[in-house]
Amino acid sequence: NAGVTQTPKFRILKIGQSMTLQCTQDMNHNYMYWYRQDPGMGLKLIYYSVGAGITDKGEVPNGYNVSRSTTEDFPLRLELAAPSQTSVYFCASSKGQETQYFGPGTRLLVL
Amino acid sequence: DQQVKQNSPSLSVQEGRISILNCDYTNSMFDYFLWYKKYPAEGPTFLISISSIKDKNEDGRFTVFLNKSAKHLSLHIVPSQPGDSAVYFCAASAPDTNAGKSTFGDGTTLTVKP
Repeated sequence: NAGVTQTPKFRILKIGQSMTLQCTQDMNHNYMYWYRQDPGMGLKLIYYSVGAGITDKGEVPNGYNVSRSTTEDFPLRLELAAPSQTSVYFCASSKGQETQYFGPGTRLLVL
Repeated sequence: DQQVKQNSPSLSVQEGRISILNCDYTNSMFDYFLWYKKYPAEGPTFLISISSIKDKNEDGRFTVFLNKSAKHLSLHIVPSQPGDSAVYFCAASAPDTNAGKSTFGDGTTLTVKP
């Protein structure tokens, strides 16, 4: 039981490039989330999903897109990377209102 | 408008003493509160939670207190250990219709000195 896994661990992007951050969970959770954490700040919700085929915007969705074709996977797509997207990205999953289980994070640097 | 606030960015305590981390919230719809702990280069991990129908929840060295009228909760760690040094996030969520979403505070960095 691996929990929530994220790839890659670290990535450097040039301005204007695109990439997909991968997230997979093996706990059969319906709910999944993407957060970003900027230095000294809390977790800001980017997008979330309540089940396969259903996604919705969080607090800071601009510049990102998501899809949820299976219960297990919830990839986050960055199009036209900007320096403001330099951050640490965390994926999480939960059964409901209770505990969220987080992945180890992806550190992204946009230069 | 930040709905969950942790007003102390950092806290330093001596090993063996009590650590008290505070959190305030503004949204009266929040009915479930959680504390997460985060070590560097790792994702947050769940520590302890409390429902709004309770005012206290205890788990070993960790106790969370909830004061609904003041919209305030606190995490007590007794006795504090050097391994408790981490960033602690307070989080709050509304009932299940909100898709399980939590709103997080900015975190408090706890340093426990040997």
